Amino acid sequence: NAGVTQTPKFQVLKTGQSMTLQCAQDMNHNSMYWYRQDPGMGLRLIYYSASEGTTDKGEVPNGYNVSRLNKREFSLRLESAAPSQTSVYFCASSSRGSSYEQYFGPGTRLTVT
Amino acid sequence: GQQLNQSPQSMFIQEGEDVSMNCTSSSIFNTWLWYKQDPGEGPVLLIALYKAGELTSNGRLTAQFGITRKDSFLNISASIPSDVGIYFCAGLRPDSNYQLIWGAGTKLIIKP
Repeated sequence: NAGVTQTPKFQVLKTGQSMTLQCAQDMNHNSMYWYRQDPGMGLRLIYYSASEGTTDKGEVPNGYNVSRLNKREFSLRLESAAPSQTSVYFCASSSRGSSYEQYFGPGTRLTVT
Repeated sequence: GQQLNQSPQSMFIQEGEDVSMNCTSSSIFNTWLWYKQDPGEGPVLLIALYKAGELTSNGRLTAQFGITRKDSFLNISASIPSDVGIYFCAGLRPDSNYQLIWGAGTKLIIKP
């Protein structure tokens, strides 16, 4: 039982490049989330998917797109990376019964130069 | 965006000491959660609180949901080296089903 897995673990991009961050969970959770973490700012929600087939914007969605591929997988895409998107990105999931108790992956450390 | 006010920002403690930290807000919350993050890892859920006044323990950790619903407290008793890390509070407002509001974290450091 791996929980929440994320790939890649590290990534360096040049400004303007695109990439997709992958996330998968094996806990049969309905809801999935993408956060970014910057120093001194805690976690900020980018997008979330309450259930398979739905996605909604969070606090900081600009510059990102998401896809809920199936119940297990939720990907985050940067179409044209900017230095302001340098951050640590976390994926999380939660079950329908306790949507508030979120379980996190190990994170992707992204640097945009 | 809105954040919870979490304090202190950092704490230097001696092994064996008790630790207290808190989160406050001007808004009320229905749920309070406390997470711990180790370096290079994602946050791990420690304690979840769902009712005003609720007091919940997890080993040496005890958390409380404030009576006003605008604050929460986390205490760690008899700290040990593995308690080092960053502790985050997160809250869920009554008008939201999914969007947690997060504090900026309390960094716990053990004095050598």
